[in-house]
Amino acid sequence: SQQGEEDPQALSIQEGENATMNCSYKTSINNLQWYRQNSGRGLVHLILIRSNEREKHSGRLRVTLDTSKKSSSLLITASRAADTASYFCATAIQGAQKLVFGQGTRLTINP
Amino acid sequence: SQTIHQWPATLVQPVGSPLSLECTVEGTSNPNLYWYRQAAGRGLQLLFYSVGIGQISSEVPQNLSASRPQDRQFILSSKKLLLSDSGFYLCAWSHRRSEKLFFGSGTQLSVL
Repeated sequence: SQQGEEDPQALSIQEGENATMNCSYKTSINNLQWYRQNSGRGLVHLILIRSNEREKHSGRLRVTLDTSKKSSSLLITASRAADTASYFCATAIQGAQKLVFGQGTRLTINP
Repeated sequence: SQTIHQWPATLVQPVGSPLSLECTVEGTSNPNLYWYRQAAGRGLQLLFYSVGIGQISSEVPQNLSASRPQDRQFILSSKKLLLSDSGFYLCAWSHRRSEKLFFGSGTQLSVL
């Protein structure tokens, strides 16, 4: 299976609610990143968390990393309709010069 | 500021025809460059990456090839397209390996 796997594959919530997406991976990493993609567009970097960090915040985003469980979560607080997009985690595998992306979570915010 | 240009945005090609997608980066030097492919509703598959001129690493055996003739130019090519080459192709760059990626706007390729 993939190095990075997001859960759930799709999430639909009401505007104002919080959205949580999870990512699991298999091998040791240097960092883990989250990206956002609007339909038919390129990906936009949201946040990077290094392997020695446990939590990071950026605006309404909160990312956690548990290297013992090889998992990360992305929390979007007070969601807005404009947050509707696909969200991908990407892992920087130790010893490699590349990022490996998961399959993504498709988030829909209902007004 | 740095910018990345990728073109064309949309391309429809017959099976067996050649392909050339170009990506250029402005405002930085010696970037790491990447080509990804995304199937509809799926994640990204790394195809090629380059850490310098003429240095290309291939991730997946493909009907595709990549070249980096200049420091900030990355080209994806095929001599004969297959139906399975259809997809959304994304170029990206980073300052350093495995760090934050900056993506182009993508090329939607349909092989018919």
